[in-house]
Amino acid sequence: QSALTQPASVSGSPGQSITISCTGTGRDVGGYNFVSWYQQYPGKAPQLMIFDVSDRPSGVSNRFSGSKSGNTASLTISGLQAEDEGDYYCSSYTSRSTLVFGGGTKLTVL
Amino acid sequence: QVHLVESGGGVVQPGRSLRLSCAASGFTFSPYGMNWVRQAPGKGLEWVAFISFDGITKYYADSVKGRFTISRDNPKNTLYLQMDSLRAEDTAVYYCAMTTSAWYRGMDVWGQGTTVSVSS
Repeated sequence: QSALTQPASVSGSPGQSITISCTGTGRDVGGYNFVSWYQQYPGKAPQLMIFDVSDRPSGVSNRFSGSKSGNTASLTISGLQAEDEGDYYCSSYTSRSTLVFGGGTKLTVL
Repeated sequence: QVHLVESGGGVVQPGRSLRLSCAASGFTFSPYGMNWVRQAPGKGLEWVAFISFDGITKYYADSVKGRFTISRDNPKNTLYLQMDSLRAEDTAVYYCAMTTSAWYRGMDVWGQGTTVSVSS
């Protein structure tokens, strides 16, 4: 199972919006509405930010939103803040009853 | 407070075995599916295995199928990962993670991780 494709890095200034893409195939991202996004700080465990493509767990800021079109899912962070800097990973359920992660995107807040 | 605490990591030679544990506290462990996820040094996340709430349904990544076995002991509130025939590429931080809904909908509680290093 190949990893989902994410950009290695994105950056933005405080207050701006950024979008991270996550591209898979019809056997994962495109075939199911079970895409999740995780935020990870260095040396820490990941934290769930988005599930089911666009739903937020309780306690997650509404500055985080998710969407999907075809085989590509996206995470958008609006009103960028310094605390948003970290690594972001997408994940999808697959047709083989497995989960697959993206390679990760490093977000830098300028 | 919900807590997952992994243990059992260490340095092991290629071809040897290791068993990881994940102790749950602060909540009722038995109704929830559990996963193991790993992260090699400087690399991204890799899903390893899933086990259903009752221990009956198990899924594995191709990279560990036939070598790793996931199991759980609900009365002891503990999840396990038996790792056999270890390889250098199994070197990683191993996290246990819980799903409070269907297992493929996102892992919303994570442990702090335990480090496994496979080296001669």
